[in-house]
Amino acid sequence: DIQMTQSPSSLSASVGDTVTITCRASQSISNYLNWYQQRPGKAPMLLISAASNLQSGVPSRFSGSGSGTDFTLTISSLQPEDFATYYCQQSYSSPPYTFGQGTKLEIK
Amino acid sequence: QVQLVESGGGVVQPGRSLRLSCAASGFTFSLYAMHWVRQAPGKGLEWLAVISYDGSNKYYADSVKGRFTISRDNSKNTLYLQMNSLRPEDTAEYYCARDALLYHSSGHCDFWGQGTPVTVSS
Repeated sequence: DIQMTQSPSSLSASVGDTVTITCRASQSISNYLNWYQQRPGKAPMLLISAASNLQSGVPSRFSGSGSGTDFTLTISSLQPEDFATYYCQQSYSSPPYTFGQGTKLEIK
Repeated sequence: QVQLVESGGGVVQPGRSLRLSCAASGFTFSLYAMHWVRQAPGKGLEWLAVISYDGSNKYYADSVKGRFTISRDNSKNTLYLQMNSLRPEDTAEYYCARDALLYHSSGHCDFWGQGTPVTVSS
């Protein structure tokens, strides 16, 4: 199975900052990489699919890039509602569609 | 609007069984693959299973293969997860989620239910 590794596991930042979260796959997954946001006590929400495709309704301060094994999620001009946990997920080929371990973004 | 409502969670003893349901509304359920994902307390997301739009194809994570069965009833707009031989490590919040694409299972999920908790304990 494909393993997904996110870094860092946690991150402190301030409102207005720009942050980057990295996700690495154990083998090439082309651009079959998705990003989710999960706020405490809530279900996950899809932010980005296919590495860089922003979902409808997601603010443009979120962006994704990468292909192959290395991917990034960038959040520019952090807003208070962005402090949450972020997960990458690979959806390459057949299941299982594994998630990364998550990155908790906290307010500094 | 798309709604997914899970039910059936609760406290169960190790080795026993439980069936979760996910009632779908606000979209044509029979056209979408559906997933189950779980999250143990304080832990990350774990993808569990997917079923094709017509129920003909099913895939599972190794951690639940042989113990859990995903199924659907398109006439009732309902997704199920039959969980047998439950273990303490199956304790988690269980989410159903809709695949983002029509017919084809893309692997990513655009709508999620609110989750139902399962606790496996003696």
